[in-house]
Amino acid sequence: DTEVTQTPKHLVMGMTNKKSLKCEQHMGHRAMYWYKQKAKKPPELMFVYSYEKLSINESVPSRFSPECPNSSLLNLHLHALQPEDSALYLCASSHPGQRNSPLHFGNGTRLTVT
Amino acid sequence: KQEVTQIPAALSVPEGENLVLNCSFTDSAIYNLQWFRQDPGKGLTSLLLIQSSQREQTSGRLNASLDKSSGRSTLYIAASQPGDSATYLCAVASGGSYIPTFGRGTSLIVHP
Repeated sequence: DTEVTQTPKHLVMGMTNKKSLKCEQHMGHRAMYWYKQKAKKPPELMFVYSYEKLSINESVPSRFSPECPNSSLLNLHLHALQPEDSALYLCASSHPGQRNSPLHFGNGTRLTVT
Repeated sequence: KQEVTQIPAALSVPEGENLVLNCSFTDSAIYNLQWFRQDPGKGLTSLLLIQSSQREQTSGRLNASLDKSSGRSTLYIAASQPGDSATYLCAVASGGSYIPTFGRGTSLIVHP
């Protein structure tokens, strides 16, 4: 079982919908990440939160809006998405600044935009 | 900017073979290097992490080595099994940042 929990596992949404992806970890990690992964490609970094503050935004379109309400939770709010946004969205966490701290990933949300 | 390359892109072997997966990187000022496994449609599972001061790490049938001077890491899988079939990704954190750059992965199939 993964220690990073993502919900929902699958999501189908229309281009006019608003939805949210959720991620939760209880390992005491203070860095949390959103990645986007297309089929047969490596994960692409979208956002990083460090100590609940947004530290990295990899020029992601504004239709993706991250939120970190507390040290255990990470949300990704979705609005007016495009079909090309269909992908596996992965959440990860780690201890920021510790060389021996691996990234822990959740199992992802499979998003389909119709 | 760090670039991470994994060779081969795909590998198909019979059960029982010993395997070597390769990862090369351009910036040798690394923070750490991680090897991950990904099963289809799933998240990534961390297999091994090597800190910049280390030369290798071992876990069960897996051994990962790091040679910073040549910009290379290898993942050695002993006595491969069909359950080892997955995509293996190498990720390198460097330049003082703990955020890793991923390679494109090696897709491994071990057939009975």
